[in-house]
Amino acid sequence: QIQLVQSGPELKKPGESVKISCKASGYTFTDYAMHWVKQAPGKGLKWMGWINTYTGKPTYADDFKGRFVFSLEASASTANLQISNLKNEDTATYFCARHNIGTTDYFDYWGQGVMVTVSS
Amino acid sequence: DIQMTQSPASLSASLEEIVTITCQASQDIGNWLAWYQQKPGKSPQLLIYGATSLADGVPSRFSGSRSGTQYSLKISRLQVEDIGIYYCLQAYSAPPTFGGGTKLELK
Repeated sequence: QIQLVQSGPELKKPGESVKISCKASGYTFTDYAMHWVKQAPGKGLKWMGWINTYTGKPTYADDFKGRFVFSLEASASTANLQISNLKNEDTATYFCARHNIGTTDYFDYWGQGVMVTVSS
Repeated sequence: DIQMTQSPASLSASLEEIVTITCQASQDIGNWLAWYQQKPGKSPQLLIYGATSLADGVPSRFSGSRSGTQYSLKISRLQVEDIGIYYCLQAYSAPPTFGGGTKLELK
């Protein structure tokens, strides 16, 4: 069955970096783009951007340009999100989500989420 | 960016009641609308895609409809396991945008 399994929770200090992984299984990794979505505590869902899993090209939403990097380990069917120079406002749960392209587009499978806490 | 205005923000309903949640798109998005359910501490789960198509394994009491740029999610007979937060998503044009969410509680 199709699964996206993300890495575990992280506790970081301001200014540090964090790398989150999303390992896909049950399908051909390079056939579907991967998106990243942020959910701050008690808040809604915010799209961060996506990565073309075939070419490795990332696209970032305006609010996530600069400190955020999407990358791949295609041989391991894994997408990564790295956040540098962490700020308190980066405290959130980060989800990866598979992009299904059919008659319409939508995100069909999601990882379980990674809680990142930034605190001094 | 396309704005998705979701209403109501919160909703209290009784078991077996009919529940309707709506999303209003700021411009035409065709049928590029999906609905998700999120339970506390969990990831969003796909309910409806293409505005009206039921995702695999989703109970038939869930349905989606469209009238112009207004989209609705209907739960025909509310069950305990339907409690959670519901979001709409437009993927018609970049950036994809979510509605603000509807928190559904039991009365």
